[in-house]
Amino acid sequence: SQQGEEDPQALSIQEGENATMNCSYKTSINNLQWYRQNSGRGLVHLILIRSNEREKHSGRLRVTLDTSKKSSSLLITASRAADTASYFCATDNNAGNMLTFGGGTRLMVKP
Amino acid sequence: KAGVTQTPRYLIKTRGQQVTLSCSPISGHRSVSWYQQTPGQGLQFLFEYFSETQRNKGNFPGRFSGRQFSNSRSEMNVSTLELGDSALYLCASSLGGATTEAFFGQGTRLTVV
Repeated sequence: SQQGEEDPQALSIQEGENATMNCSYKTSINNLQWYRQNSGRGLVHLILIRSNEREKHSGRLRVTLDTSKKSSSLLITASRAADTASYFCATDNNAGNMLTFGGGTRLMVKP
Repeated sequence: KAGVTQTPRYLIKTRGQQVTLSCSPISGHRSVSWYQQTPGQGLQFLFEYFSETQRNKGNFPGRFSGRQFSNSRSEMNVSTLELGDSALYLCASSLGGATTEAFFGQGTRLTVV
């Protein structure tokens, strides 16, 4: 079973625009991670935010976490065609490498 | 530093057969987890091994099993394959403590015919 939902399921934008994806989860967590997946290949780790953090930045990525609402958002600024991929959030509520994934958001960035 | 390596990349098997997939984690990582990805169910956790011991297990039938060796390399085995086992199988390695990033391999795409 999946931990939560990602919203939207699909997003299409123009190059240069910002893309925002949201993730909700159900149980308490240790941390939340965001991953990117290109065309059914492996998952690329983007960013990890701990449960006691509210916001984190990495390059063009900005992640927020609201534990009271059990939700997180991923913002990609100044998007590029190469950002076209599926994006997944994953939560870890256990001491260990056991992630629970959302359903993912399919992002298409048009040149 | 080499990433997570999964072999083979592609497999075609017949119903009823068994299959073994291999995962070599990042050097120094002691935790290896396995996930199944299908269009219908998404990404689902299979099991996790840490220092050769299964530490966590997902909700999969006993046909799915795994092990980890002393060098942290891991294998997963699926016996009596069913058509529904067709999926992308992903392995992730991490240091194993709480709040550590997990890094994924490219996956093994298994097709059962």
